[in-house]
Amino acid sequence: GQNIDQPTEMTATEGAIVQINCTYQTSGFNGLFWYQQHAGEAPTFLSYNVLDGLEEKGRFSSFLSRSKGYSYLLLKELQMKDSASYLCAVRDGNYQLIWGAGTKLIIKP
Amino acid sequence: EPEVTQTPSHQVTQMGQEVILRCVPISNHLYFYWYRQILGQKVEFLVSFYNNEISEKSEIFDDQFSVERPDGSNFTLKIRSTKLEDSAMYFCASSRDRESTPLHFGNGTRLTVT
Repeated sequence: GQNIDQPTEMTATEGAIVQINCTYQTSGFNGLFWYQQHAGEAPTFLSYNVLDGLEEKGRFSSFLSRSKGYSYLLLKELQMKDSASYLCAVRDGNYQLIWGAGTKLIIKP
Repeated sequence: EPEVTQTPSHQVTQMGQEVILRCVPISNHLYFYWYRQILGQKVEFLVSFYNNEISEKSEIFDDQFSVERPDGSNFTLKIRSTKLEDSAMYFCASSRDRESTPLHFGNGTRLTVT
């Protein structure tokens, strides 16, 4: 079966750096997405990786290793507004988007 | 920036009733989706729609559900004979293509079945 694993919850301090990991086993691979979702709101797109390596976008970076079935989302200079769930989603060989359960990130002052 | 809009934001209905959830995708997008998220759980795929027909559907999307694009802008999800377990947030999403572009989500409709 297809599966995406992420930690359920993480806690970090305002101003610090946090890395949220995602591992996946899917039938084929056509890209990996990270979304941010605040409670009661829609997921919003953060980043997209299809080739190995690091994609940087401001305070957020995302890394992909296709051979390891592994990605991480790196958040720098954490702000209180970064408290949210972070969803990893993989497009499989049929271009279906497979979603992880999300990592709830709690930022403490 | 263009966005996906969904109406209503909240819908309360009695068990057994039919509901129609409405969505207006981004105008130049070609792929449309419905997802649901039960409170505290993961996002679940329901159905994708392209070129005026269903392209993929999940096991959740049984005969109780149907989708329609009645005109050039609206995309609807109909749930017949609602059950208590249909209570969830329903998200509409659209994308320009199915390969590299991300899905853009609407703000969702919170459906409560009593």
